[in-house]
Amino acid sequence: DGGITQSPKYLFRKEGQNVTLSCEQNLNHDAMYWYRQDPGQGLRLIYYSQIVNDFQKGDIAEGYSVSREKKESFPLTVTSAQKNPTAFYLCASLTRDRDTEAFFGQGTRLTVV
Amino acid sequence: AQSVTQLGSHVSVSEGALVLLRCNYSSSVPPYLFWYVQYPNQGLQLLLKYTTGATLVKGINGFEAEFKKSETSFHLTKPSAHMSDAAEYFCAVSDGFGNEKLTFGTGTRLTIIP
Repeated sequence: DGGITQSPKYLFRKEGQNVTLSCEQNLNHDAMYWYRQDPGQGLRLIYYSQIVNDFQKGDIAEGYSVSREKKESFPLTVTSAQKNPTAFYLCASLTRDRDTEAFFGQGTRLTVV
Repeated sequence: AQSVTQLGSHVSVSEGALVLLRCNYSSSVPPYLFWYVQYPNQGLQLLLKYTTGATLVKGINGFEAEFKKSETSFHLTKPSAHMSDAAEYFCAVSDGFGNEKLTFGTGTRLTIIP
């Protein structure tokens, strides 16, 4: 079955550590996105990529980094520069055609301990 | 720049009653509009979308929404609420083909009263 897989589902980070969240899709979608979700704030865009080897900052990119070396994969690294990383992170992909629809992974809950 | 406003962060309705979740948008071009549902600790699932054509769109689970350009609205309705409808609902907008970046509203948590 086609879909988006995020791993791990739960992740704990110590202060000062970098962690990487995985996002893989087998939908053959061109565009991929990372969102951060906090209670009462909806989804805020961190980074997005519309083609391999290219990505753009979203609204809250500071303290995060990404790569897009393969069409199927769009990992997100939460660096130590992100001062408040505890949140629910969602990855999405969509096809760039007129029947566009975003498909979401099941999310990763990151907690700083 | 595009934006979405969802009126009411929390909505409660009785089982069997009408569900109305409000969404207003701003966009400099004809928008693509979406409603997503999220259950606790899950990703988002598409309920319905408007891209072009008929302004009344029907989605899954008995939901529908009407695109009203004059009111810049895309409200979500369901005639009769069911307990399983309890979830968080997000409205989203994009500038359409060629610029598919989605901008989300802050969400509305729907509670169903037995």
